[in-house]
Amino acid sequence: AQSVTQPDIHITVSEGASLELRCNYSYGATPYLFWYVQSPGQGLQLLLKYFSGDTLVQGIKGFEAEFKRSQSSFNLRKPSVHWSDAAEYFCAVGLWTGNQFYFGTGTSLTVIP
Amino acid sequence: EAQVTQNPRYLITVTGKKLTVTCSQNMNHEYMSWYRQDPGLGLRQIYYSMNVEVTDKGDVPEGYKVSRKEKRNFPLILESPSPNQTSLYFCASTPGVSGANVLTFGAGSRLTVL
Repeated sequence: AQSVTQPDIHITVSEGASLELRCNYSYGATPYLFWYVQSPGQGLQLLLKYFSGDTLVQGIKGFEAEFKRSQSSFNLRKPSVHWSDAAEYFCAVGLWTGNQFYFGTGTSLTVIP
Repeated sequence: EAQVTQNPRYLITVTGKKLTVTCSQNMNHEYMSWYRQDPGLGLRQIYYSMNVEVTDKGDVPEGYKVSRKEKRNFPLILESPSPNQTSLYFCASTPGVSGANVLTFGAGSRLTVL
């Protein structure tokens, strides 16, 4: 079945520590890949996207993500987390058909001082 | 400022009382869609529209209606709300009909049905 999986429901990290959020997808062809962030009480904002080319993509707020075709993964990383990064993070795919986007269930990030 | 505007942001209603959540975008986007966000389920698409007068069902359309009479507006209608429609709703839009487009989201509408 087609799906976007974020295996970690909730992650807690210390401020300054590194972060990796996992995302796996299951579609016939490599879809367009996105990471969005949702701060409390707000809508979703794009962090970064991958369409083709270099498999390591840079986004806003110091985030990056690596696409691994062999693992059908698109994991999000940040070398040093800031307290303001506490939010919910969603991995999403856009299909070649263009008329639908699919989201993972989200990973909630807590940052402790 | 380019944005997607939803109203109301918060609403408490009772079972069976028809309600409409409005969505408007000022970016001349072709594609608009509605999602609901529930704990543990992420965002699920309710309906989408690829252009004026063109709408189609997403993954969870039951109990909802939409219309796209103007390019900028895409209201979500709950004809007879039920408690299982208590959720956080997001409207989103993209410039064109492509999975490569970035979604611009509204701030969300939190609906409670008693």
